[in-house]
This record gives sequence, structure tokens and C-alpha cells, in this order.
Amino acid sequence: DQQVKQNSPSLSVQEGRISILNCDYTNSMFDYFLWYKKYPAEGPTFLISISSIKDKNEDGRFTVFLNKSAKHLSLHIVPSQPGDSAVYFCAASANGGTSYGKLTFGQGTILTVHP
Amino acid sequence: EPEVTQTPSHQVTQMGQEVILRCVPISNHLYFYWYRQILGQKVEFLVSFYNNEISEKSEIFDDQFSVERPDGSNFTLKIRSTKLEDSAMYFCASSVKGSGTQYFGPGTRLLVL
Repeated sequence: DQQVKQNSPSLSVQEGRISILNCDYTNSMFDYFLWYKKYPAEGPTFLISISSIKDKNEDGRFTVFLNKSAKHLSLHIVPSQPGDSAVYFCAASANGGTSYGKLTFGQGTILTVHP
Repeated sequence: EPEVTQTPSHQVTQMGQEVILRCVPISNHLYFYWYRQILGQKVEFLVSFYNNEISEKSEIFDDQFSVERPDGSNFTLKIRSTKLEDSAMYFCASSVKGSGTQYFGPGTRLLVL
């Protein structure tokens, strides 16, 4: 199942700089997109989401951009902090018909923020 | 801040044994989910549950799996006869509405020997 893909397994960034995490999807029925952060041996922690009717959503240091024509979304973290070091998952859902709420996840990107 | 809780945090069982994983969703949430993550793989959807019945299930969720909301607070996943390949982290999640944000519990690490 490759409907949601995060092509970069890892990203290394200097503290204070911008982190950009990318995600591509193939299912045009997806209408809700989320980013989760995960530490080892913990559950995914919700960060930010965006509906398909928007192209940008901002929450503090986190901004998600959605490009529907390219089926691409990205998460920007500015400024990056060492505490942001974790695995970041992109997830998507298609709501309607027989599917309601099921999240499809990407493989994850390991973000390391160096002091 | 309300959160999803799961018990036990770790479970070791013998192949063929039954296990029950427990979850307490956030109290005002109406939609409940189970996901799993096999080591090194993606987080995978297993099942969604609303209004005391399964809304959707994946092909992984075969007859060996069942879910139940035995009371007003708990949501359980039962695996009747565990297989080696059931070894994974199992995450419970809940949301206010089906199309809304899902909040995840800390997970149960299941090891089948």
C-alpha cells in the first residue's frame, strides 16, 4: 500500500533553521491530512492537520502546505529545536462512502535537529 | 489534558493463545480505532468502531480479531489465537467525529513466541 509516501527516510537540520518534511499521495479521494510526531516506544502525537479545501494551515512553529494538483503536502517547522527530533508521519483519510476516518500512513521521516 | 490510555504496555504470549488489549478512549469521543505497527514497517489501520459496531476493517482484521466496547469507557481488541506475525505495537485511537483528528494512545507491545 503506497498511497502515502514519505520519500526521505531522514532529515538533519541545525537548531534555529527551517525543517521541511515532505509527503506525496496518490489517492485523489483523500480529503484530510495530518502530521504526527512519534518518539520510540510511544504513540503518535498529533501535530497539525489540513482539510483539502485549504492550502495552508499554521499553528505556532508548524505550518502545513497542501498542493492538491501535485498531490503533495509538506510540514515546515520554524525555528527547529532539538526537542523536535523524532519520527514524523504524514497520514491521510478519505471521508465518505464506505470509508470514514481510516488513516493511511506514510513510512515516516526521522528528523534530527542538532544544537 | 485528556488522553487515550492503553493497557498493558507490554504483553508476551505463546503462539495460539488469546490476548485482549485494552484501551480507554478520550471520554467525549465517539469513534474508536485500532492500528498496528510491525517493527520497521508503517502504521497500519486495523478497524474503526462507532455506535457499537464496526464501521470499517482492513484485510488484516480477519476472523481471529474482534473488538468490543464492554462498558462506557473501555474499548478492547481481542486476538483469539495469536500467530508469530501478530507481534507488533498495537495503537488505539479515538476521535470526536469520523472525519476528525485521531488521538493515539501510547501503544501495547505484543510479542508472540
